Amino acid sequence: DQQVKQNSPSLSVQEGRISILNCDYTNSMFDYFLWYKKYPAEGPTFLISISSIKDKNEDGRFTVFLNKSAKHLSLHIVPSQPGDSAVYFCAAVGNNDMRFGAGTRLTVKP
Amino acid sequence: DARVTQTPRHKVTEMGQEVTMRCQPILGHNTVFWYRQTMMQGLELLAYFRNRAPLDDSGMPKDRFSAEMPDATLATLKIQPSEPRDSAVYFCASGLVQGVTDTQYFGPGTRLTVL
Repeated sequence: DQQVKQNSPSLSVQEGRISILNCDYTNSMFDYFLWYKKYPAEGPTFLISISSIKDKNEDGRFTVFLNKSAKHLSLHIVPSQPGDSAVYFCAAVGNNDMRFGAGTRLTVKP
Repeated sequence: DARVTQTPRHKVTEMGQEVTMRCQPILGHNTVFWYRQTMMQGLELLAYFRNRAPLDDSGMPKDRFSAEMPDATLATLKIQPSEPRDSAVYFCASGLVQGVTDTQYFGPGTRLTVL
């Protein structure tokens, strides 16, 4: 039962361009969302989060957008850098439950 | 530079054997989480503790998995008996949280292979 889905297992973009990673969820009880970045052989690290009372949160090159009616969130990275190459997980929290998506592998080419 | 540590980093074992994974949370954190990462399911929450007491282990197969926190500096995840389908990377995370929200700090993971 995948309540959080990241439908693109991989994404490749050119350095300097925008990377857009998408995430969909099914449970309307989720009210807090996070993005984690994971490098090989390391644990995930927190990147950015958003509460359901907002529709946008920005932190430097990273912006998360939330569309509650569509149960969709996205992470925008602009400009993308080679060091952003990693696996990105979205996570949804609500009702004392937390679920992660399967991840999207981002490759930023120089 | 405080970090969550996990041991062992890699474990290869045969089906039916007992496996114990250990986690040392960041000092002062009151919540510890165990996750499993597989290709198909991504990251799954198995269990979490607050102030050493188990809060939720509904994501964990109870018949073979057990999670404990014998003290504030050690969390363990045990599988007995192990099965090939348990092969995955197991992450521990700790945080200073009031629920399943906010920032969690992940350990490097234990890669388990059950033959």
